[in-house]
Amino acid sequence: GQNIDQPTEMTATEGAIVQINCTYQTSGFNGLFWYQQHAGEAPTFLSYNVLDGLEEKGRFSSFLSRSKGYSYLLLKELQMKDSASYLCAVRGSGGYQKVTFGTGTKLQVIP
Amino acid sequence: GAVVSQHPSRVICKSGTSVKIECRSLDFQATTMFWYRQFPKQSLMLMATSNEGSKATYEQGVEKDKFLINHASLTLSTLTVTSAHPEDSSFYICSAIRRDTRYNEQFFGPGTRLTVL
Repeated sequence: GQNIDQPTEMTATEGAIVQINCTYQTSGFNGLFWYQQHAGEAPTFLSYNVLDGLEEKGRFSSFLSRSKGYSYLLLKELQMKDSASYLCAVRGSGGYQKVTFGTGTKLQVIP
Repeated sequence: GAVVSQHPSRVICKSGTSVKIECRSLDFQATTMFWYRQFPKQSLMLMATSNEGSKATYEQGVEKDKFLINHASLTLSTLTVTSAHPEDSSFYICSAIRRDTRYNEQFFGPGTRLTVL
């Protein structure tokens, strides 16, 4: 089975840096995704990690440690529009590459 | 870029009726699509994996006779909520895997908000 944990809510200040953690315990692993979801909308892709290390993509970076079952999403230079839920999702190793989502972290950016 | 559409975007129905939701991949073929359900303030819960030309694979606790899935072509999967009840009211989201992307990326549809009265 899959067990994916994230903090429920976080608050950060505009212009600051915030790190959203995700821990997972899965029966198979074939990559970890981070998605952003605004209220009432579908998730949008942010990043993908399958090997250990840091992937940087503009203001967003994502880190993975497979041995620790741990990932984080780092958001720099926070903007008000970054207020959203951030979903950590793990893809299994089965043939259909099923993706299981964590509980999501609701981030509120304040002035 | 890849686009996945869903129709309808919003539906309100009476208890006991059936509702069909369509999920289409508009510019790529998708042998595998997923159906998720999301309740307010909760994350996406995978309901089933839809495979073109074969039966869907349902997650534990999801009634296959209540949530009928048909993946009739490489660009279309449908989810029919049969005999809907108020507890079925939720946000239903489909996604499709595009296998020619770097990460076998999963693209999401815009979602369908179902309200059962």
